[in-house]
Amino acid sequence: LAKTTQPISMDSYEGQEVNITCSHNNIATNDYITWYQQFPSQGPRFIIQGYKTKVTNEVASLFIPADRKSSTLSLPRVSLSDTAVYYCLERRYNFNKFYFGSGTKLNVKP
Amino acid sequence: DTGVSQDPRHKITKRGQNVTFRCDPISEHNRLYWYRQTLGQGPEFLTYFQNEAQLEKSRLLSDRFSAERPKGSFSTLEIQHTEQGDSAMYLCASSSPPTGTENTEAFFGQGTRLTVV
Repeated sequence: LAKTTQPISMDSYEGQEVNITCSHNNIATNDYITWYQQFPSQGPRFIIQGYKTKVTNEVASLFIPADRKSSTLSLPRVSLSDTAVYYCLERRYNFNKFYFGSGTKLNVKP
Repeated sequence: DTGVSQDPRHKITKRGQNVTFRCDPISEHNRLYWYRQTLGQGPEFLTYFQNEAQLEKSRLLSDRFSAERPKGSFSTLEIQHTEQGDSAMYLCASSSPPTGTENTEAFFGQGTRLTVV
């Protein structure tokens, strides 16, 4: 069972910053927060992972508050090609299975 | 690094037939996962291998489903006596063991889309 909650869909325009928030009400101490992106007819692609505070890579930033009950994926200056489904997951350290929820469908408009 | 490769990309079969899918993980990855995804839903975990050992199986994996990874490299997923409810995208992923204190990312293949008619 997916343990996270995230909006079903979001709309944005090209060039805007998009923030997608996920709830982790039952996150465990050993769980990492991981985000994936999926385009139609393709497998999910890893975006970013974090445990607490802020993580940034060349694609996105991930903000995790001190209580770790939520996480926010921030996509700077989105383009049409960022239209995809975004999944937040809780992935236990060295644990072998991880669960996807239904994801957030991001629609970027011109 | 050629990524995770799955074959075939598409399969159409008649109800009651058996089908087999193949997954070639990234060569140095010892962990391999199978997931199933239906339209509008997130991927659902099916099974997990560490090297050649199948260590986890979901309740979703009925007796008609069997997965193998005979030499700890490629893996096959077989579905016997297919049903229309088996129509889905079957995804394979691989990863290396965690390093230090962090999980390593799982790389997914492009999937095999199965249609049972």
